[in-house]
Amino acid sequence: ETGVTQTPRHLVMGMTNKKSLKCEQHLGHNAMYWYKQSAKKPLELMFVYNFKEQTENNSVPSRFSPECPNSSHLFLHLHTLQPEDSALYLCASSQDPRGNYGYTFGSGTRLTVV
Amino acid sequence: DQQVKQNSPSLSVQEGRISILNCDYTNSMFDYFLWYKKYPAEGPTFLISISSIKDKNEDGRFTVFLNKSAKHLSLHIVPSQPGDSAVYFCAASVMNYGGSQGNLIFGKGTKLSVKP
Repeated sequence: ETGVTQTPRHLVMGMTNKKSLKCEQHLGHNAMYWYKQSAKKPLELMFVYNFKEQTENNSVPSRFSPECPNSSHLFLHLHTLQPEDSALYLCASSQDPRGNYGYTFGSGTRLTVV
Repeated sequence: DQQVKQNSPSLSVQEGRISILNCDYTNSMFDYFLWYKKYPAEGPTFLISISSIKDKNEDGRFTVFLNKSAKHLSLHIVPSQPGDSAVYFCAASVMNYGGSQGNLIFGKGTKLSVKP
């Protein structure tokens, strides 16, 4: 365990379903991120939250809706997804930076849209 | 357009030899670079980093070299071990004024296989 926990680990959903991905960290970090990893593509930044405030939305379609109720929890709400949204969704957190920069990643949620 | 490029999708190395993973970037504003390692079914884990004020950073078997003029960095693993077999991601960021970390931009990754 890295200190960043993602649930569920695997998710299969239909295109008309609504589901949510959950991310939790108790590292005292103030920034949290959603990344998408598709096959043969770089990790793509989706959303950034700093101190619970969304600071970046990287042109993500509205069928992905993030929520950050506090600095320890981050959700990604999914609805009416497409098969091409099937990917590994990674959550990460980081301290408000000084010093040793880097993100701590969770293990990811493997999402399959059918 | 990719700002961080890892042009080799895979690399195979014999145990005990050196592994060299390469990364190129296009954004001259990047001033902090990181390497992450990812095993299957796990998230990436931080491996080593380097600031643009340095050209080398070493941590045990891992050394990262930065060539700013060429916008190139490399990760050297010596000696390579079978447990090093993983996907290695290069990442870069721009340190905003005041020391805030810019968002990390990742490459596609290079899959390293170390054969016994």
